[in-house]
Amino acid sequence: AQSVTQLGSHVSVSEGALVLLRCNYSSSVPPYLFWYVQYPNQGLQLLLKYTSAATLVKGINGFEAEFKKSETSFHLTKPSAHMSDAAEYFCAVMDSSYKLIFGSGTRLLVRP
Amino acid sequence: ETGVTQSPTHLIKTRGQQVTLRCSSQSGHNTVSWYQQALGQGPQFIFQYYREEENGRGNFPPRFSGLQFPNYSSELNVNALELDDSALYLCASSLDRSGVMYEQYFGPGTRLTVT
Repeated sequence: AQSVTQLGSHVSVSEGALVLLRCNYSSSVPPYLFWYVQYPNQGLQLLLKYTSAATLVKGINGFEAEFKKSETSFHLTKPSAHMSDAAEYFCAVMDSSYKLIFGSGTRLLVRP
Repeated sequence: ETGVTQSPTHLIKTRGQQVTLRCSSQSGHNTVSWYQQALGQGPQFIFQYYREEENGRGNFPPRFSGLQFPNYSSELNVNALELDDSALYLCASSLDRSGVMYEQYFGPGTRLTVT
């Protein structure tokens, strides 16, 4: 069965610093992987997705993620954090019946 | 085009009661999925509806049921509410079942509190 582990329930960075949010997955088949962002009192918004094309995936708002099969990882990065990036971030894998399996989330705090 | 909308935004129920949550999918989307997000956790898949038929179910008891209407809007019904049902309930719509070729668009959610 597929699963997702997000390391670090909270990550704090300074404005302008590199953002790195970690995600490791478990899947017996080539995975479809997703990163979503959730702002307070809002639903989820898709940042980017990996669907077995290029291993480096670029998303919205300057985020990107690299699929590394050997490490079973799909970490999310952004070169320079902005105050508006403060939110909850969820990594997800899609299983064979097309349902999303989410990690427990990482709350990103951006210090001025 | 309008996005995914959900109603109500908040509600409070008593243990043992029944509740109905509603979701209007984005225009043209024939697939709706429902998720439960407990406080501090990631969303968990409840079930999916495709063209008015249930198309997959997560690990939730039968007292969680749903409907999809001809206009592809959807309802989530929960009977015999328990305290652990307190959560944010999210629905997501998409153009097809896979959610891979076409993005799943999430609504803002309904916050259910069971006392």
